[in-house]
This record gives sequence, C-alpha cells and structure tokens, in this order.
Amino acid sequence: AQKITQTQPGMFVQEKEAVTLDCTYDTSDPSYGLFWYKQPSSGEMIFLIYQGSYDQQNATEGRYSLNFQKARKSANLVISASQLGDSAMYFCAMREVNTGNQFYFGTGTSLTVIP
Amino acid sequence: DADVTQTPRNRITKTGKRIMLECSQTKGHDRMYWYRQDPGLGLQLIYYSFDVKDINKGEISDGYSVSRQAQAKFSLSLESAIPNQTALYFCATSDNLGVEAFFGQGTRLTVV
Repeated sequence: AQKITQTQPGMFVQEKEAVTLDCTYDTSDPSYGLFWYKQPSSGEMIFLIYQGSYDQQNATEGRYSLNFQKARKSANLVISASQLGDSAMYFCAMREVNTGNQFYFGTGTSLTVIP
Repeated sequence: DADVTQTPRNRITKTGKRIMLECSQTKGHDRMYWYRQDPGLGLQLIYYSFDVKDINKGEISDGYSVSRQAQAKFSLSLESAIPNQTALYFCATSDNLGVEAFFGQGTRLTVV
C-alpha cells in the first residue's frame, strides 16, 4: 500500500490566490512526522513545513500552512497569496519512527501559478 | 557552501561502466540517505545509514551499493550501470529526531 498519496498530478492557480495541495498518508505508527518539499525546475529539494503527529496546532511557515486532519490521515498544504515563483513540483513526505525513521515520498503535484 | 554537497552534478556514462556518486555533509548528522527520482514516481529510497557502522537497504537497492566512509561522507555506486538507472539521484541527511531531511542539489545521471 502507498504510504503517501498525492492525487493531483497538476494544479493551476491564479497569482495572489490561495491553493490547497492534497496529501493523504497511511501509517499505524502513532509517532510520525509529515513534511512538504518544493522542487523547482532547477531540481533541488527545498523544505517547506513540518507537522509532528503529536502537534496540536497546524504548522505554519510564512505563506505555507499545513492542514493536519489526523483522523482522516490527511496533511494538505495551503499556499496563500500565490506568487509566480511558487510554480514547482511539491512533494508530501512522511517519516515513521517504527520503521527506522525512513522518509516516504508521494509522487508529487505540479503547481503552475498563472499571472 | 551547501550543507549537503553531491558530486558530480551531472554525469553521462556508458552501459556496463562502474560509477560512484559522492555525498558530503556539514550538518553533523548521523543519518544519511540516497534516493532516486524518476518522473511520476516521486523519490524512492535506495539505501540509508544511521551511523558509520549501520547501513540498510531501501526499497530499490538492487544494482546499487553504498559506502559510509565517515560520518560526513556517504557514497553510492552503480557497479555495472544500465540505461534504466538513468534518473535524478539525491543524497539527504537528517538528525536523530528526523524532524527534517536536508537534501543535496541532486545528481542527474544518464546511462547510454
């Protein structure tokens, strides 16, 4: 079974609008971490935001917020006030403590911001 | 300087050749990882190491080997490269809490 599922291969958003990128995960480990990474066309992986499984509050980092719904096992990324520079691939990832802290990645969502 | 440095950044090699991709980090982390990225498949874990004496296979280790020469260095070898190993390869590190994985810039490998 897939550990991380990203169901949106591609998304478009108007500049200055907000966009939500979906991510669901599968784990029976009570202790895990959820991550979002941005990969621009240049190829590097840029860390955006982290949510721990025991965190009570949704994580926020500037224009990025993580909508953590534990019962639904979802960890959607919300980007507010989209900018042209946000156009990139976005990967959701999970780390499980009981499988040795390996990182599992989704297949990614390609986001295009339209002027 | 980057926290995680991969060399080379780009490489074209012939089928059957042995090739080594190198990774070094200045984060002082014990944990290091090698991933492969193919279009549409996200990142797949090849090998990971939690310290110099601890090396583990990931999801797709066949055809690859690794060496953890020091805490800061983790190299990936393709003993006999084949065309379907053409991909973007990433090295990453994390601390023991695993709160964040820091990635290198990636190595784009083409096997012809």
